[in-house]
Amino acid sequence: GAGVSQSPSNKVTEKGKDVELRCDPISGHTALYWYRQSLGQGLEFLIYFQGNSAPDKSGLPSDRFSAERTGGSVSTLTIQRTQQEDSAVYLCASSQHDGLSYNEQFFGPGTRLTVL
Amino acid sequence: AQSVSQHNHHVILSEAASLELGCNYSYGGTVNLFWYVQYPGQHLQLLLKYFSGDPLVKGIKGFEAEFIKSKFSFNLRKPSVQWSDTAEYFCAVNAKGNNRLAFGKGNQVVVIP
Repeated sequence: GAGVSQSPSNKVTEKGKDVELRCDPISGHTALYWYRQSLGQGLEFLIYFQGNSAPDKSGLPSDRFSAERTGGSVSTLTIQRTQQEDSAVYLCASSQHDGLSYNEQFFGPGTRLTVL
Repeated sequence: AQSVSQHNHHVILSEAASLELGCNYSYGGTVNLFWYVQYPGQHLQLLLKYFSGDPLVKGIKGFEAEFIKSKFSFNLRKPSVQWSDTAEYFCAVNAKGNNRLAFGKGNQVVVIP
């Protein structure tokens, strides 16, 4: 079926505003990841959802960042009171997860966030 | 936590030249190793991976990588590059049993026709 989709593809916002970024994983994939790619940096892990388990939030840079995954499918990453240093490309990935081995992560096209 | 180092962020070379991109990681336990590629305007996609077994792994488009455990390295190679290999290449690591990937900062490779 279709790959991982993300929306919007581009988002420009003013400092201090809240933004929501959406990710639709590949159908049937139980694992979902958010990463951030800043200019000149590699991809930085943010958060990981696996089925109904508590998410691994250890990569979230501050309490302004939060994410949820509804119904085990779509995920929303929310950034409150955006700052200029939040400007980056936010990537979502999904994978199958059999609990025994690593499964390839498939990445979406990303959302480019610009905070003015 | 794992960390990944990639050197020579910008690489420019001519078609038919050989390419080698270095990747070193720091983690004391067992790891899975990956190279991802992002062609201009496209999604990040998996180029090759190492889980266990033969330390020399073959990927798509003629790429290969060698895992040298003693050096904590997983260097990517291609004997003869093409213009279509222009892309950004990322090395990534995850610890066994942990699905989160740690990425290097990437190598921007430009192949001149």
